[in-house]
Amino acid sequence: EAGVTQSPTHLIKTRGQQATLRCSPISGHTSVYWYQQALGLGLQFLLWYDEGEERNRGNFPPRFSGRQFPNYSSELNVNALELEDSALYLCAGLAGGPGEQYFGPGTRLTVT
Amino acid sequence: GENVEQHPSTLSVQEGDSAVIKCTYSDSASNYFPWYKQELGKRPQLIIDIRSNVGEKKDQRIAVTLNKTAKHFSLHITETQPEDSAVYFCAASLPNFGNEKLTFGTGTRLTIIP
Repeated sequence: EAGVTQSPTHLIKTRGQQATLRCSPISGHTSVYWYQQALGLGLQFLLWYDEGEERNRGNFPPRFSGRQFPNYSSELNVNALELEDSALYLCAGLAGGPGEQYFGPGTRLTVT
Repeated sequence: GENVEQHPSTLSVQEGDSAVIKCTYSDSASNYFPWYKQELGKRPQLIIDIRSNVGEKKDQRIAVTLNKTAKHFSLHITETQPEDSAVYFCAASLPNFGNEKLTFGTGTRLTIIP
């Protein structure tokens, strides 16, 4: 069974640009969560999508947005990039048992 | 919202000894408490979890204890091995339509000294 996949692996953007990150959960997982992990820091909850709808969002500005597609894959968009947006962005899918989240390998976003 | 504090931030343990990482949470309604292990350059992986209806859970060398009254839970690793070296994150979740939002602790970097 394929695991959670994310693309691209690395992304380099300049300040003010937009970034698009993608995630495909494990087959059968309908929920996708996005987290930001800044260097040396913990995991900060960004967004939660389930059945195509945004269900919850963390304490991030509106320039962080996303969507979930009918096949349950998801896209995270970050507009008007700032230097402090540089981080590892992880997505996770919800397994059959409530609460167990399977993480993807992450996309490392660097803003210069 | 929920707030999770994790201590210590770094921990060095001699191989074979035990390691204990502690977390406290703020919302007494939280009912799901997973622990994730993140090795260097890799994704976080669930190693053990506990729900609020039990006080302790064990899986081989790893155990988690939960004290709902005090609102804290702990990860215990016995007979530590070099491969246990990693960053460990605790998390807590409120019972709202399942576990749609995990609040993570800030992580503990565990180093096993050979």
